[in-house]
Amino acid sequence: GQQLNQSPQSMFIQEGEDVSMNCTSSSIFNTWLWYKQDPGEGPVLLIALYKAGELTSNGRLTAQFGITRKDSFLNISASIPSDVGIYFCAGQYGGGADGLTFGKGTHLIIQP
Amino acid sequence: NAGVTQTPKFQVLKTGQSMTLQCAQDMNHNSMYWYRQDPGMGLRLIYYSASEGTTDKGEVPNGYNVSRLNKREFSLRLESAAPSQTSVYFCASSSTAWGTEAFFGQGTRLTVV
Repeated sequence: GQQLNQSPQSMFIQEGEDVSMNCTSSSIFNTWLWYKQDPGEGPVLLIALYKAGELTSNGRLTAQFGITRKDSFLNISASIPSDVGIYFCAGQYGGGADGLTFGKGTHLIIQP
Repeated sequence: NAGVTQTPKFQVLKTGQSMTLQCAQDMNHNSMYWYRQDPGMGLRLIYYSASEGTTDKGEVPNGYNVSRLNKREFSLRLESAAPSQTSVYFCASSSTAWGTEAFFGQGTRLTVV
């Protein structure tokens, strides 16, 4: 099946620093999504990308859909304490409600 | 707006017991999904339902059954629980058949002893 490689697995940063994480796939996806999960909660959608090359921002977050359709990155600028959590990339290839394929997550830890 | 509601939030089962996890959404979504989340594994799709009356297997369906009771409700049943099914289970729903922009419930933490 399709697999997503998400890196890094964890990040320890200082408040105010910029953050970058990415996902790569062995196969093509038509949609890339980025979710954030807080402890004890379900994932919450941050950004959705639907076209190769698309660059989308949501406040301090920016994500891009790679030209090859096999990768995506998420940047967070000027990190704040509430950015702590686990970030997941997710991709989908086809229709028919076949669900999403998730990366294993990037655990972001911010030191004050 | 309640969104996606899962019950129960926590459950402990003995090996061999059965139980049903309930999920309901109030967003009039056609598609619903069940995922399991294990440490370091991300979320893996168990079953999904593209529309009322249809269900299909995902990546890890063994040991589970599902029922799409109506448009709002999608349940996940463990007929004979095993320790390997200890996990956090998430239900999700989506407005499009492509499964994008899925909204997730808060999860059910299941422990099988």
